[in-house]
Amino acid sequence: AQTVTQSQPEMSVQEAETVTLSCTYDTSESNYYLFWYKQPPSRQMILVIRQEAYKQQNATENRFSVNFQKAAKSFSLKISDSQLGDTAMYFCAFMEYGNKLVFGAGTILRVKS
Amino acid sequence: DARVTQTPRHKVTEMGQEVTMRCQPILGHNTVFWYRQTMMQGLELLAYFRNRAPLDDSGMPKDRFSAEMPDATLATLKIQPSEPRDSAVYFCASGSGLPEQYFGPGTRLTVT
Repeated sequence: AQTVTQSQPEMSVQEAETVTLSCTYDTSESNYYLFWYKQPPSRQMILVIRQEAYKQQNATENRFSVNFQKAAKSFSLKISDSQLGDTAMYFCAFMEYGNKLVFGAGTILRVKS
Repeated sequence: DARVTQTPRHKVTEMGQEVTMRCQPILGHNTVFWYRQTMMQGLELLAYFRNRAPLDDSGMPKDRFSAEMPDATLATLKIQPSEPRDSAVYFCASGSGLPEQYFGPGTRLTVT
């Protein structure tokens, strides 16, 4: 069974600085997808970024980028120029194509002014 | 603005009562997922459907939970009888065959 581990329960960062959230996963599959979801206090689950395992190039979405290390089964999220609105719980998730999402326990990120 | 809708947004009920949660997936999406979020267990899959057929409900307590898709625009999750340990946020998500799943706002259930 696939597992996703987020080893940082909480993190904080100063506004405008950069922060990296860690995620490792375990799978025997070669084709899969990885995601980062953001959950602000409103509870809405918001997709931040997606990475296909067959792609070597790291995904980027504006201030959000990932460092995908397939051999190490590592998938970290970097947030640049942190903003107060980035304060949220962040979930790393794994999915085989078309199948269910398996989530990590989450990391609470607090952006301080 | 296509989005997944869920009703009710909040539900408080007494132990033993039946609870029904509803989800309207994004029009045209053929896959629907039900997830539950608790402090202790985090986010976990309860069940999912593709083209209205149940594909996996292994995460769901069979004796009290049931999930159905009466038609392509409605998915339901029922708990009967409800118990305090069922208190959680229940999310519905839909997908169209692409990897992304789009989540609804969730139903916060409190069973007293």
